[in-house]
Amino acid sequence: ETGVTQTPRHLVMGMTNKKSLKCEQHLGHNAMYWYKQSAKKPLELMFVYSLEERVENNSVPSRFSPECPNSSHLFLHLHTLQPEDSALYLCASSQVRPTGSNEQFFGPGTRLTVL
Amino acid sequence: LAKTTQPISMDSYEGQEVNITCSHNNIATNDYITWYQQFPSQGPRFIIQGYKTKVTNEVASLFIPADRKSSTLSLPRVSLSDTAVYYCLVGDETGANNLFFGTGTRLTVIP
Repeated sequence: ETGVTQTPRHLVMGMTNKKSLKCEQHLGHNAMYWYKQSAKKPLELMFVYSLEERVENNSVPSRFSPECPNSSHLFLHLHTLQPEDSALYLCASSQVRPTGSNEQFFGPGTRLTVL
Repeated sequence: LAKTTQPISMDSYEGQEVNITCSHNNIATNDYITWYQQFPSQGPRFIIQGYKTKVTNEVASLFIPADRKSSTLSLPRVSLSDTAVYYCLVGDETGANNLFFGTGTRLTVIP
């Protein structure tokens, strides 16, 4: 596997379910991110982990819970979601350096539908 | 947080050169300018990044004037497969500024 992978690619869940999204990066990067993209809306940054520590939590509801057990893996735990949470959830990784680029590499995303 | 402004949409015929301009009046000294491309239902893909003057790679060119308050992404001889949304981001390495995507520019290439 190369790049950034996400599983599952599609997920349908009820509002009372608990599920988790998984992201894995094979690039040796030290930062990982979760984004949400709703229909016809810009990408919304949700969480940032740098060196396995959460450094950004962009006012995301507590029904979304991230976990970063190591620099290669990132999870997004979901519980009691609402239909408006239906969206494409994208994971990305980057190598944070003192200067220069912070090019992000994105996974293919998980298409989430909440019924 | 340096805010960026781009046209919402653009149309172009195949084979033409397309220039998409982004305004970033509040760009800071340490900020870089990065452009991404996104196809429907996929994650964005890095296209090009620059700090000043001109940067060129195999995909595009990026023109940045001396005051750095704007930048122009240039796509030579576009094809139908270049139809996508293009995002301009501004930020530096030490903060999360360059992680905020705006609305982007939806480019439609017409046969």
